[in-house]
Amino acid sequence: DAGVIQSPRHEVTEMGQEVTLRCKPISGHDYLFWYRQTMMRGLELLIYFNNNVPIDDSGMPEDRFSAKMPNASFSTLKIQPSEPRDSAVYFCASTTQGTGANVLTFGAGSRLTVL
Amino acid sequence: AQSVAQPEDQVNVAEGNPLTVKCTYSVSGNPYLFWYVQYPNRGLQFLLKYITGDNLVKGSYGFEAEFNKSQTSFHLKKPSALVSDSALYFCAVRDRNYGQNFVFGPGTRLSVLP
Repeated sequence: DAGVIQSPRHEVTEMGQEVTLRCKPISGHDYLFWYRQTMMRGLELLIYFNNNVPIDDSGMPEDRFSAKMPNASFSTLKIQPSEPRDSAVYFCASTTQGTGANVLTFGAGSRLTVL
Repeated sequence: AQSVAQPEDQVNVAEGNPLTVKCTYSVSGNPYLFWYVQYPNRGLQFLLKYITGDNLVKGSYGFEAEFNKSQTSFHLKKPSALVSDSALYFCAVRDRNYGQNFVFGPGTRLSVLP
């Protein structure tokens, strides 16, 4: 398996523009997570899905952020309109519950810079 | 509510010396505990986990961690540090009775000096 695949790896955009980040989880994983990492706030959970259904979106900062999972192999995180304070590295991770303590597998991240 | 504390932002150790990266946690139920490592411009990589049983857990690259229930700690250790161990280390907890809510600590930057 190629692991969790995220795109783009780097995105530079101007304030007010729409940003879409993409994630392909590991095949067979039924949980998908979106995290944001900044120097100031560390690693924050934004939202997670189970079987394509959002379970906890309490970490989504505000209405400018939205996430979808139209099928088991694809998820998007959209920011519209983007602001400079959204600059961060956004990670997608996936797992399957299985038995015992399941482990999150992370993608390489998407580094977003909003000018 | 679950929380994880990593009291040291930065740990410096000489190559060949033992290293410890500290982690304490708070959960209402029984925890699953994890350590992850992040190298520059990379995602987090799993190192080891505690489920139950033996309090000393062995993981990848010679790392181990000791679970201490009374002190609610899960410190990461390695007997002999390598320069290549220099990275950002994250402790994480998941309450067994609280779904898939993984909570990560703020991270500790480990620098191993040659």
